[in-house]
Amino acid sequence: AQSVTQLDSHVSVSEGTPVLLRCNYSSSYSPSLFWYVQHPNKGLQLLLKYTSAATLVKGINGFEAEFKKSETSFHLTKPSAHMSDAAEYFCVVSWGGSYIPTFGRGTSLIVHP
Amino acid sequence: GAGVSQSPRYKVAKRGQDVALRCDPISGHVSLFWYQQALGQGPEFLTYFQNEAQLDKSGLPSDRFFAERPEGSVSTLKIQRTQQEDSAVYLCASSLGSGVVIEQYFGPGTRLTVT
Repeated sequence: AQSVTQLDSHVSVSEGTPVLLRCNYSSSYSPSLFWYVQHPNKGLQLLLKYTSAATLVKGINGFEAEFKKSETSFHLTKPSAHMSDAAEYFCVVSWGGSYIPTFGRGTSLIVHP
Repeated sequence: GAGVSQSPRYKVAKRGQDVALRCDPISGHVSLFWYQQALGQGPEFLTYFQNEAQLDKSGLPSDRFFAERPEGSVSTLKIQRTQQEDSAVYLCASSLGSGVVIEQYFGPGTRLTVT
């Protein structure tokens, strides 16, 4: 079965320092890749998506992610964390044009002042 | 503009009760998804509608779960004879297109607690 692995359940950074949230997936067959963010008591919001265009994808709020096919990875980065970035982040993958996405377990980003 | 709304936001049910969870998608959105999110986990797919047609219900965990979208807009997820393992957040999402996954717009979820 296809799977999505978010390597860290929690990531803790200081405000103003870089953010790296890691995501690996199980197969490189035509993946569509997404990152969503979930703030408490809010719906999930799309940060960015990769659908076979440029491998470096820019999203909202200064986030970006790089698709690396050879590593089957789609890590999320941001140069400088802000307090408002504290939330749960989900890596999401679908394969072969399927409409059914598979979510990772999520990474909780904690930002210290 | 209005986003996806879900009601109720919180539901406490006694074991064995039936519950109905409502989703109002964004107007004009063709696709509607239901997900179940257990504590500390990512959402898991339950079922998918394209307009009023339920094209995929492979994620429904048992025959106690039933979903409908009779007029291609509002959807209801019904759980009969609730069990404690049904306790989770139920998320609804809609998207403008159909077929290949595109951006989904999520509601805030309904937190179901079965006691």
